[in-house]
Amino acid sequence: DAMVIQNPRYQVTQFGKPVTLSCSQTLNHNVMYWYQQKSSQAPKLLFHYYDKDFNNEADTPDNFQSRRPNTSFCFLDIRSPGLGDAAMYLCATSRWGTYEQYFGPGTRLTVT
Amino acid sequence: SQELEQSPQSLIVQEGKNLTINCTSSKTLYGLYWYKQKYGEGLIFLMMLQKGGEEKSHEKITAKLDEKKQQSSLHITASQPSHAGIYLCGARYNNNDMRFGAGTRLTVKP
Repeated sequence: DAMVIQNPRYQVTQFGKPVTLSCSQTLNHNVMYWYQQKSSQAPKLLFHYYDKDFNNEADTPDNFQSRRPNTSFCFLDIRSPGLGDAAMYLCATSRWGTYEQYFGPGTRLTVT
Repeated sequence: SQELEQSPQSLIVQEGKNLTINCTSSKTLYGLYWYKQKYGEGLIFLMMLQKGGEEKSHEKITAKLDEKKQQSSLHITASQPSHAGIYLCGARYNNNDMRFGAGTRLTVKP
């Protein structure tokens, strides 16, 4: 089945220790998104890629970076995680122009 | 203030009862999307509305878009425990930005 896969599902990292979250998709969608969702809050868009074109939201902290080496994979790098970065991180994909997004199961990040 | 407001924030209903969740935008919508999220998991797409007055159904879930009010309602008929979860609306705006509401947590009591 075509899907969006996120690894790991749960990640624990130490304050200030870099961490990378990964997302892969078998849908062959050209747009990939990263969202941050804190408890009982709306998912907040961090950035998205249209093919290899990177689009950063204006209020996304510099601490958050992303890489998309190919159509199928996208990574979220948090360079120096703070306690406030503990959240669920959701990856989503869509076909450009359709806007219907397909989400992965998320990675829950804990910062100790 | 949020661009997209959902109400209520949480809802507890008895199995078999009908319910309605609302989503109101403070800006002009170009598309309205409903998703369901189970606790600790990703979002599952339910339906998309684009035109004023449009109404769509998926099993026992119906959603409508009121373009004049920039509002959508999600209605569940004869709720079941399987309907429990968090319902989020997402809105697309004229710059193709996508924003989500904070969600409505639905509990269905057997």
